[in-house]
Amino acid sequence: RKEVEQDPGPFNVPEGATVAFNCTYSNSASQSFFWYRQDCRKEPKLLMSVYSSGNEDGRFTAQLNRASQYISLLIRDSKLSDSATYLCVVPPGTYKYIFGTGTRLKVLA
Amino acid sequence: DVKVTQSSRYLVKRTGEKVFLECVQDMDHENMFWYRQDPGLGLRLIYFSYDVKMKEKGDIPEGYSVSREKKERFSLILESASTNQTSMYLCASGSKGVYYEQYFGPGTRLTVT
Repeated sequence: RKEVEQDPGPFNVPEGATVAFNCTYSNSASQSFFWYRQDCRKEPKLLMSVYSSGNEDGRFTAQLNRASQYISLLIRDSKLSDSATYLCVVPPGTYKYIFGTGTRLKVLA
Repeated sequence: DVKVTQSSRYLVKRTGEKVFLECVQDMDHENMFWYRQDPGLGLRLIYFSYDVKMKEKGDIPEGYSVSREKKERFSLILESASTNQTSMYLCASGSKGVYYEQYFGPGTRLTVT
C-alpha cells in the first residue's frame, strides 16, 4: 500500500456543484495533515491544515477519519477558479512530508 | 506572509555543467527542503536541512548536494547535470515542530540538454 494515495481524477464538475476528494494514508502515527492546492506550472500553496477531526474555511471543509485512515476535502459551490490539482500531505512525524500525487479538479462553466 | 524565493524561474544547462539553485526564505524558519516534481511521480524530497550546516538525505539524493551556510539560504547543487535531472525544482521552508507547515517557492524549471 502506498503511504499516501489519491484518486488522480480528473473530477469534472459544473460550477456551483459540491465535490469531495479522499486521501488515504498508511502511517497511523501521523498527527497532522494538510491539503495544498497547485495550479498548473505553479508551486503548491497551503489550503488547509487538519490537526484534529476537521477544519472548515469558507467553502472548504477538511475532515479526518483516523479509524479508517483517510482525510477528505469538500468544496461547496465550486467556482471556475477552484480548478487546480489538490495535494494531500501526511507528515509521518518527522521532518519529512509525504505527498500524494494529487487529484485534478476541473470546474466547468 | 511567508516569502520563499528561488534564484531562477527557468534555467537551461548543458549535460556535464555544474548547476546551482538557490533558495531564500524570510521567515526565520529552521527547516528548509528541496524537492523535484515530475509528471506522474509527484513531489519527491531530494534533501532537507533542519539547521545551519545540517543536512539530511531525502528520497532521491543521488546526483545532488546541498549547502546551508546561513539560516535563510539553502542551495541545491547538481555537480554534473544530466538529462534525467530535467525537472521542476521546488524549495520549501517550515518551522520546527510536529505540526509544521511548509511554504514553497515559485519553482525553477530546469532543462538539461
